[in-house]
Formats: sequence, C-alpha cells, structure tokens
Amino acid sequence: GAGVSQSPSNKVTEKGKDVELRCDPISGHTALYWYRQSLGQGLEFLIYFQGNSAPDKSGLPSDRFSAERTGGSVSTLTIQRTQQEDSAVYLCASSLTGTGTYEQYFGPGTRLTVT
Amino acid sequence: RKEVEQDPGPFNVPEGATVAFNCTYSNSASQSFFWYRQDCRKEPKLLMSVYSSGNEDGRFTAQLNRASQYISLLIRDSKLSDSATYLCVVTNAGNMLTFGGGTRLMVKP
Repeated sequence: GAGVSQSPSNKVTEKGKDVELRCDPISGHTALYWYRQSLGQGLEFLIYFQGNSAPDKSGLPSDRFSAERTGGSVSTLTIQRTQQEDSAVYLCASSLTGTGTYEQYFGPGTRLTVT
Repeated sequence: RKEVEQDPGPFNVPEGATVAFNCTYSNSASQSFFWYRQDCRKEPKLLMSVYSSGNEDGRFTAQLNRASQYISLLIRDSKLSDSATYLCVVTNAGNMLTFGGGTRLMVKP
C-alpha cells in the first residue's frame, strides 16, 4: 500500500517568507509526528497528533512554527518568517496509534533551504 | 545530559566482522525500545524492536539491560549493505519516541 508522502520534496525560500509543508500519512494511522533533522544531526521531535488533536507541542522551537491536522489525515507544518537556522529536512511519520509501541513509518522528508 | 545517547562513530569495519553498538537512556520509566536504520539522505526505517529477553533477527541481535539503562545492537558477518546510521529509539513515559543521535557504520570490502 501507499506509504507516508510529503510535499514538496525540496523547498528553497528567502529569509522572512512563510512556508507550508504537507504530510499525507498512511491510511488508517491515527498518530502523526513531525521531526526535524539538520545535516549530520539526529532527529528533533517537533509535534505529535493523535487524531486531529496535538497532545504534545513541546518540540516546536518557536511561535513561528505551527501545525494542524484535519480529518484525522493530512497535516501541514507552517513556518512563518523563516530564518536560516530553519534549514533542515522536515520528516513526517505516522503510526497505527500513539501508544509508542507501534512502528513509525517515515515519509521521504522535505528538504528546506532558507537563503 | 541527553535523554538517549549514542557514540556517533563512525565505526569502520571490514566485511564479515562482528560489530556492536551501545545506547544509554536516562529515563528509567522508558517502556519500549527500538533500533532504526537510516541510509544517507533517506528516511529512518525500523530495524527491530528490543525486548526485555533479548531478540535476534538473522545476523542482528538486540539486548536490553534495564538495570544499567542501556540497549545494544550486535551485527554479525557484516555486509557492505549494512553501512548506514543506526538510531537508538526509546519510548518515554508519555509514549513519545526519543531518538538518539545515531551511530554511523561503514563496512569496507
């Protein structure tokens, strides 16, 4: 079946612009996660959705970052007034439930470059 | 102190060698443990879950030591295709996954 998809695959934007990243999870997966990975670094947790609600937003680095999920499916991560330090690969993952015992399936990521 | 710590490596080993990675975690309430594999410029993928009794999947063996709060991954008879970054993953009390920084393995001919 279809895996997790993300769009765009690459995004180059100018400092100060807003960007919107999209994630389509695996059908039927109730849990959805956003991570950020800078070059050569580990995964940094950003936000987790269980259905449409986000019980854990603790990883969002600043109020310029927001995310929503509608219909228990597609999620968008929005970064306002982008800064150069926002450049990274943004990875989305989904799992059957949010209990932490199920495998997370990752999308291919969106590579964001802020110039 | 990071919640999940790994030696970043790289571990450079010849084909056929046995190599082991350790990972330590700080939260004693952690409940579930995994090893993920990430190839260069690719997304992470689950390699194996780690069970309290230890578990084996072909050439890969995972062990958990709750008393010392570490997990290990042993790879026997290394193949060139094993070259990747291996991520230690721990589920915290809030059921959130925390990823270690990864250990890079390079298997040479």
